[in-house]
Amino acid sequence: NAGVTQTPKFQVLKTGQSMTLQCAQDMNHNSMYWYRQDPGMGLRLIYYSASEGTTDKGEVPNGYNVSRLNKREFSLRLESAAPSQTSVYFCASGGARAVSYEQYFGPGTRLTVT
Amino acid sequence: AQRVTQPEKLLSVFKGAPVELKCNYSYSGSPELFWYVQYSRQRLQLLLRHISRESIKGFTADLNKGETSFHLKKPFAQEEDSAMYYCALRGVNTGFQKLVFGTGTRLLVSP
Repeated sequence: NAGVTQTPKFQVLKTGQSMTLQCAQDMNHNSMYWYRQDPGMGLRLIYYSASEGTTDKGEVPNGYNVSRLNKREFSLRLESAAPSQTSVYFCASGGARAVSYEQYFGPGTRLTVT
Repeated sequence: AQRVTQPEKLLSVFKGAPVELKCNYSYSGSPELFWYVQYSRQRLQLLLRHISRESIKGFTADLNKGETSFHLKKPFAQEEDSAMYYCALRGVNTGFQKLVFGTGTRLLVSP
């Protein structure tokens, strides 16, 4: 099993450009998450999806949109990138409530907006 | 509101020394606490959770509801323990496994 995979690993954008970060998991998890990691700020939740077909805002959703394409895939879109969105982005997935609350993380995408 | 505080950005110790990474939380209900670790060039992974009362890689953490703390401890640090450590909280009343993370503590173990 690959676990949680993310593409791309690195990306450089100019201000105003758009892009989509892709995430997929092969653990049959219902829940999926997008976080951003900034120095001194820890991990902050951008959006999450409790199950296929549902998405909800997290702590820092402004400037982002998400799509839960199916149970496996959860994408994050930046419509008009800003330098403040320079960060490392992590996707995660989580097991069913009755089994485990552990979240499994992807390797991250390092995004720079100039 | 849920909040996790890790007061130390960096903790530097020598190999063989005891380690304590501090974590305090704020939550009005019953929390579930976790420690996640990120080794260099690796993805974030679960280290331990308070409900399991387990010791992983020599690390332990006890939930102290009176002091609202969940400090991570290891009696003898090893160089391979050098990593970024995040404390995280899940509010049981939320009915969903949304985690709130602290800002992280970088542990550096020197030979």
